[in-house]
Amino acid sequence: EVQLVESGGGAVQPGGSLRLSCEASGFTLSNSWMSWVRQAPGKGLEWVANMQPDGSEKYLESVKGRFTMSRDTAKSSVYLQMNSLRTDDTALYYCVRRAYTAFYTWGQGTMVTVSS
Amino acid sequence: QSALTQPPSASGSPGQSVTISCTGSSSDVGGYNYVSWYQQHPGKAPKLMIYEVSKRPSGVPDRFSGSKSGDTASLTVSGLQAEDEADYYCSSYADGNVYVFGTGTQVTVL
Repeated sequence: EVQLVESGGGAVQPGGSLRLSCEASGFTLSNSWMSWVRQAPGKGLEWVANMQPDGSEKYLESVKGRFTMSRDTAKSSVYLQMNSLRTDDTALYYCVRRAYTAFYTWGQGTMVTVSS
Repeated sequence: QSALTQPPSASGSPGQSVTISCTGSSSDVGGYNYVSWYQQHPGKAPKLMIYEVSKRPSGVPDRFSGSKSGDTASLTVSGLQAEDEADYYCSSYADGNVYVFGTGTQVTVL
């Protein structure tokens, strides 16, 4: 069974940093397209970042230069390093495995709150 | 990249059909057959219902169907059931190898 478990969320002040982790099981991470999607409280879904099997990344314009997606295939985990956090980054962050260019399997999410 | 436009709400009685639209542009919905739809119940993670415009993942009832015409995609839920009451989001692959989601539609079963 494919499973994604996020961790690392929490409360941080504006300008601070957090590193989100996503532990994957039931599939081979190195062959997979992975993404992070976020949802601000009471709001809609927003795509944040992609990583392809070759390791190449793509980011939402508003997080470019602040967020970095990476992976450790030996630990079957993907990460989202978030620096220079802003209040509008407050959201539930989902780790997602993509397939057929769709967001196929979702984790349960980890909450990030940026507030002074 | 702007969010795709969906109606804020839609409703129907049990057994009826409801159709939700998702309007983008030639840079996303109109340019690619990579539109997907997601169902989200309160407090839960989204669930993929339709991918590549009209394909259903295993386990999704055939009451759910998708289509596209030009820059607008649509999701139709036929034979509405109480458990279909949820928020629905569309998404599309877009120019520049990015993705964009719709604004979301709250479906109410009357």
